[in-house]
Amino acid sequence: DAGITQSPRHKVTETGTPVTLRCHQTENHRYMYWYRQDPGHGLRLIHYSYGVKDTDKGEVSDGYSVSRSKTEDFLLTLESATSSQTSVYFCAISEGTQRTDTQYFGPGTRLTVL
Amino acid sequence: SQQGEEDPQALSIQEGENATMNCSYKTSINNLQWYRQNSGRGLVHLILIRSNEREKHSGRLRVTLDTSKKSSSLLITASRAADTASYFCATDDSSASKIIFGSGTRLSIRP
Repeated sequence: DAGITQSPRHKVTETGTPVTLRCHQTENHRYMYWYRQDPGHGLRLIHYSYGVKDTDKGEVSDGYSVSRSKTEDFLLTLESATSSQTSVYFCAISEGTQRTDTQYFGPGTRLTVL
Repeated sequence: SQQGEEDPQALSIQEGENATMNCSYKTSINNLQWYRQNSGRGLVHLILIRSNEREKHSGRLRVTLDTSKKSSSLLITASRAADTASYFCATDDSSASKIIFGSGTRLSIRP
């Protein structure tokens, strides 16, 4: 998984609770991404980062926030989880200087919101 | 928004046969990528083909790109049980600002 770890790998939580997912990389790549994967929708970009404290929204950012205080860590926060946020979340990095460069994915976090 | 769309959505073939899946997209691209995802795992990059390339090979994989038809195909020859996975194409947009993944083709290899 290209030196990318995600934690936790599985989480069950209740509606209305805050949840933070962590992505950690070991190779100081500039670009990091958070995706969610749902049946019939493929991968959808939530947020991405192009450097420390530099982040931007993807196509499905509502209800999510991110932070990147260190190059190696990219955090995804659900401020108040809803059942529609039940999904598998993937973190990815790209090695180059472009957002369109090849991406390498972490193992995923399966989140269930009851 | 521009998106690669794979066809078929699901494919089941006998081990040893060739598997072909297709990707269509809507607007001009700079490159197109194919990824594989095994059940319960993250996506793994297979191959990237640039808009000025027509064909590319990597082991048992062959990718073609037809920019006039806005389509690409991924051929896996002599399929194996380990090829059972979902396959996604990913296209950038002409401004090279982002890539977008399709919904994938689920490939099953029967023993």
